Amino acid sequence: AQRVTQPEKLLSVFKGAPVELKCNYSYSGSPELFWYVQYSRQRLQLLLRHISRESIKGFTADLNKGETSFHLKKPFAQEEDSAMYYCALPGGFQKLVFGTGTRLLVSP
Amino acid sequence: GAGVSQSPRYKVAKRGQDVALRCDPISGHVSLFWYQQALGQGPEFLTYFQNEAQLDKSGLPSDRFFAERPEGSVSTLKIQRTQQEDSAVYLCASSSERGHTGELFFGEGSRLTVL
Repeated sequence: AQRVTQPEKLLSVFKGAPVELKCNYSYSGSPELFWYVQYSRQRLQLLLRHISRESIKGFTADLNKGETSFHLKKPFAQEEDSAMYYCALPGGFQKLVFGTGTRLLVSP
Repeated sequence: GAGVSQSPRYKVAKRGQDVALRCDPISGHVSLFWYQQALGQGPEFLTYFQNEAQLDKSGLPSDRFFAERPEGSVSTLKIQRTQQEDSAVYLCASSSERGHTGELFFGEGSRLTVL
């Protein structure tokens, strides 16, 4: 069964420090992976998807099939990056399976 | 409106009451999803509509949960005889693409508390 594991509930860093939010997955085949983000008092929204290979707000994520990982990275964290981050993958055509989320807290 | 709209934003129900949660998707979006998010957890899939057809309801936890989208636009999630374990945020999302392939646009959610 498809599964997403986000091992850290909370990641706390200082402004300007590098950030890596971990995501490991279990999936048979070639997965399409997503990162969704929820800022304080805002709705859940798409941050990036691996097929687009884009850098959004300075974040990148590389699919590593050998390690079955899709970690989210940013070289220099900003205070406005503080949010809940969810990794997700398809659980069939009709749905996404989400991880339990990691709260990123960036302190000044 | 510009985004997905859900109502009510907050609902308190006594155990055993029926509740109805409404979702107005982005106009023209083909796909509509309902997710349930318990405290400290990620969203969990409940059901999926493509236009008015409910193509997947595998995530509905029991037969007390029922969803409809009769005209392929507004959707209602109904929970009968609510139980305490139904307390959660119910998220609606819509997409212009079929299935999960497109970006999901989420509403703000309806927070249900069952006493």
